[in-house]
Amino acid sequence: SAVISQKPSRDICQRGTSLTIQCQVDSQVTMMFWYRQQPGQSLTLIATANQGSEATYESGFVIDKFPISRPNLTFSTLTVSNMSPEDSSIYLCSVATTGEQYFGPGTRLTVT
Amino acid sequence: GQQLNQSPQSMFIQEGEDVSMNCTSSSIFNTWLWYKQDPGEGPVLLIALYKAGELTSNGRLTAQFGITRKDSFLNISASIPSDVGIYFCAGQYNFNKFYFGSGTKLNVKP
Repeated sequence: SAVISQKPSRDICQRGTSLTIQCQVDSQVTMMFWYRQQPGQSLTLIATANQGSEATYESGFVIDKFPISRPNLTFSTLTVSNMSPEDSSIYLCSVATTGEQYFGPGTRLTVT
Repeated sequence: GQQLNQSPQSMFIQEGEDVSMNCTSSSIFNTWLWYKQDPGEGPVLLIALYKAGELTSNGRLTAQFGITRKDSFLNISASIPSDVGIYFCAGQYNFNKFYFGSGTKLNVKP
């Protein structure tokens, strides 16, 4: 298993600003993922972030809006840029190890 | 992408009752995973299944990997109030692709 922490746990931001979410894992992992979860909805994959390479984005998500860094095997950041109220959501970091996927506690973002 | 159909969408049960939920897919998976998500938290892995036909238990929870590799179910026996939450299934067919069901919201009346 893996223990994942995220910062911040929640934030309220003004539209037009940017927020960077940090994800820290207690062990080295190759694959990290960023998800978005709208209230009452399932999880939507934003991108896959592997250390040493560019993140791979899913359809509907672009690097300019959601830039991702993956500087080492235990850390990643997701930035939500030029925010609008539609970006209000829970953002989840996760890692995959030996066929299983583990999630962080999430960052609850509200954009006003 | 893959479509996972999870049912039921929500359940209202009495404490002590058994619960069953399932997921079906149009494609085969190599791994099935079941998660529980409490309000304000990330999903927590409950059970992982790796082989067709595999039946695995974790306390009062039992899950099975369907023989066709296109479905899985999760049973909860003798439900208690802390079972309340949203349960998600997830399927994986290669190392970096996981697909999630829409969730089953479980409500337990004491």
